[in-house]
Amino acid sequence: EAGVTQFPSHSVIEKGQTVTLRCDPISGHDNLYWYRRVMGKEIKFLLHFVKESKQDESGMPNNRFLAERTGGTYSTLKVQPAELEDSGVYFCASSPWTGVGNSPLHFGNGTRLTVT
Amino acid sequence: AQSVSQHNHHVILSEAASLELGCNYSYGGTVNLFWYVQYPGQHLQLLLKYFSGDPLVKGIKGFEAEFIKSKFSFNLRKPSVQWSDTAEYFCAVSLLSGGGADGLTFGKGTHLIIQP
Repeated sequence: EAGVTQFPSHSVIEKGQTVTLRCDPISGHDNLYWYRRVMGKEIKFLLHFVKESKQDESGMPNNRFLAERTGGTYSTLKVQPAELEDSGVYFCASSPWTGVGNSPLHFGNGTRLTVT
Repeated sequence: AQSVSQHNHHVILSEAASLELGCNYSYGGTVNLFWYVQYPGQHLQLLLKYFSGDPLVKGIKGFEAEFIKSKFSFNLRKPSVQWSDTAEYFCAVSLLSGGGADGLTFGKGTHLIIQP
């Protein structure tokens, strides 16, 4: 089966610009997660979709970040306007059922975002 | 909120050496514990996980980890490392809950370099 795919793999933008990251989960996986790793820090949970609904967005840093999951398939994460501290690697993961403790998470390769 | 602490940020070993990477978490309730690995240029992959039962869990590629509840620890071990084990290793925790935030809480990661 195809894995979780993320696009783009790298993005370099200037402060104040907008960037949209995309994640295509494994087909049939209802659960989609976004994580972020700022350089030198831990990977942090951003939010969790179950199908098209946001199950938990407690990790979203602020209202400059907007995540959507149209039709419960792929997801986008938009940063508008981008700030320097948004630089990092954004990971997407999917799983077939809720409850990560019992459900294997499949990660994408990540998108490396650099804001200059 | 739970947190995960990985003791070493960088570890350098020679091939055939034994490996132990430390991981401690802070949370008083029941948790699920994971070790993930990210090989250069690849996505995060699950090495092993602990949910319940035997506290000594075996994963892929000869890795194992021991859950010691009294020490809130889940250290990763391998008796004899290979050059191909060069990667970044992440310890992670999730709360054993049926709903709400079931995303993973990660440690900062340990860069492991194996010298031939």
